[in-house]
Amino acid sequence: EAQLVESGGGLVQPGRSLRVSCAASGFTLDDYAMHWVRQAPGKGLEWVSSISWNSGDIAYADSVKGRFTISRDNANNSLYLQMDSLRVEDTAVYYCVRGVGDLRGGALYSWGQGTLVTVSS
Amino acid sequence: QSVLTQPPSVSEAPRQRVTISCSGSSSNLGNNAVNWYQQLPGKAPKLLIYYNNLLPSGVSDRFSGSKSGTSASLAISGLQSEDEADYYCAAWDDSLNGWVFGGGTKLTVL
Repeated sequence: EAQLVESGGGLVQPGRSLRVSCAASGFTLDDYAMHWVRQAPGKGLEWVSSISWNSGDIAYADSVKGRFTISRDNANNSLYLQMDSLRVEDTAVYYCVRGVGDLRGGALYSWGQGTLVTVSS
Repeated sequence: QSVLTQPPSVSEAPRQRVTISCSGSSSNLGNNAVNWYQQLPGKAPKLLIYYNNLLPSGVSDRFSGSKSGTSASLAISGLQSEDEADYYCAAWDDSLNGWVFGGGTKLTVL
């Protein structure tokens, strides 16, 4: 069974950095585009970033562009999100999502359980 | 304010049918497929419908989707109490160069 498990969330001060990870199991990561989607407490879903199977195509939401970096290690079946210059408004549950089809227009197919990132002084 | 527009809430009685609308523009729904997600309280979102009207394996056929132009809809028939959840539509936006979501619709089964 395909599974995505996020880790690395926690409490961090504004302006600091944090890296969240996603471990994939039950499928071969390099067959799929991967995505990060976040959800602030009590709010809706917000797309953060996407990466193609070979890291050749990457996209970011304007709200995180220049501060966040998505990467993947297919050999270790892992996806990462490096978050720098964190802001209070980045506080959210961060979901790792396996895609289907193209990065730009397929579907956000299966979701991990999420990891909570809290940015506060 | 979300790029895709959904009603904040809908309600209907058990065993009835309800539809949830999603309105967009030419750069998203007009040119790309719509996907629908169900989020039960305290849980991660789950894909319900992809590529406008396809059901992932394991999803009940009580759920169906359609799209016409820049609008889409999710229909749920034979409503059950366990269908109470938040529902989101999503699509790729060619102008914004990213995925966009609706604001979510809270379904209450009366």
